Amino acid sequence: EVQLVESGGGLVQPGGSLRLSCAGSGFSFSNYWIHWVRQVPGKGLAWVSRINGDASSIIYADSVKGRFTISRDNAKNTVYLQMHSLRAEDTAVYYCARDSKVYGGVDYWGQGTLLTVSS
Amino acid sequence: DIVMTQTPLSSPVTLGQPASISCRSSQSLVHSDGNTYLSWLQQRPGQPPRLLIYKISNRFSGVPDRFSGSGAGTDFTLKISRVEPEDVGNYYCVQATQSPRTFGQGTKLEIK
Repeated sequence: EVQLVESGGGLVQPGGSLRLSCAGSGFSFSNYWIHWVRQVPGKGLAWVSRINGDASSIIYADSVKGRFTISRDNAKNTVYLQMHSLRAEDTAVYYCARDSKVYGGVDYWGQGTLLTVSS
Repeated sequence: DIVMTQTPLSSPVTLGQPASISCRSSQSLVHSDGNTYLSWLQQRPGQPPRLLIYKISNRFSGVPDRFSGSGAGTDFTLKISRVEPEDVGNYYCVQATQSPRTFGQGTKLEIK
């Protein structure tokens, strides 16, 4: 069974840093791109970042470029999102999601982890 | 970036009746490989999104056949033939033809 489990969310002050983790299981982790997508509570979905299987290709949304860094450790079946210079507008549930070449998009999502940026 | 526009933003429907959601993209979603990477997601209250339909019209594993997708180019539609109570939630279209991935604003399906 494909599973994605996010962790690391919490309350951070503006300007602070935090690292989110996304642990995958039930599939050949290194063969898949992984995305981070966020959702402000009660609002829609917004794509944040994507990393390919061997971390040779990485892209970011303009809103987080220069502040967030995505990385992966395939030996641990885990993708990370390191976030710096956090702002109130970064407050959201952060989901990691697996991308599938077969389905031409994201096929499985994690349960999400909530980041709150507030003083 | 490709802009995805959904209508309506809210859809009150009667149980057992059909529902339809439209999604329009600001440019064609036909990829250079000939595929159209348009998916539909369902998000039930308090749950993460779930893939319903991929590449316009293909139902993902376990998705009931009352869900169907259609369209081409820049105009796409998700239809539910007979709405069930468990269909309540938000529905999003998303394109994967061009980076970055972009989502529609979401359509809230609720029971009258």
